[in-house]
Amino acid sequence: AQRVTQPEKLLSVFKGAPVELKCNYSYSGSPELFWYVQYSRQRLQLLLRHISRESIKGFTADLNKGETSFHLKKPFAQEEDSAMYYCALTEGAQKLVFGQGTRLTINP
Amino acid sequence: GAVVSQHPSWVICKSGTSVKIECRSLDFQATTMFWYRQFPKQSLMLMATSNEGSKATYEQGVEKDKFLINHASLTLSTLTVTSAHPEDSSFYICSARLAGAFTGELFFGEGSRLTVL
Repeated sequence: AQRVTQPEKLLSVFKGAPVELKCNYSYSGSPELFWYVQYSRQRLQLLLRHISRESIKGFTADLNKGETSFHLKKPFAQEEDSAMYYCALTEGAQKLVFGQGTRLTINP
Repeated sequence: GAVVSQHPSWVICKSGTSVKIECRSLDFQATTMFWYRQFPKQSLMLMATSNEGSKATYEQGVEKDKFLINHASLTLSTLTVTSAHPEDSSFYICSARLAGAFTGELFFGEGSRLTVL
């Protein structure tokens, strides 16, 4: 069964510092990986997906099949990045499975 | 952008009663919708996959007779919590995929908080 692991429940960094939110997955097929974000009092929304290889709000994530990881990175954190971040996995158009989530707090 | 709306956003009911939560895709058609449950400070747990015009597919451990799902149209799925008990109190979130899209990208509703007294 597919599984997504986010080892850090809480992560706190200072504004301007680099950020890395870890995500590891286990799946035998060819998964599609996503990062979703939930800002305070807002609904869950897509941040980025691995197939797009894009940078959204300064965040990037590279799929490392050898390490089965999909870590989310940003070189310089901003206060508005404070939110709950979920790594998620799916295969094809099937169900989306979420990791436990990491609450990121950016300190001024 | 694609918008998913849930109603009600907040409901309190007595133990033993049934509660229906609606999930609507407002500006797109969704052949597939998903229902999640979220406990405080925990992740989203997939309950079931709702397919328009067919029976829902439930995840292991989710009681299908307890959580009735109906997806009667391309824009509406409903979750009915039958004979609710305090342990059913939770945050229920639905999401939808654009019809015809072969992707894991989902659009989420704002969630419905159920409190069973």
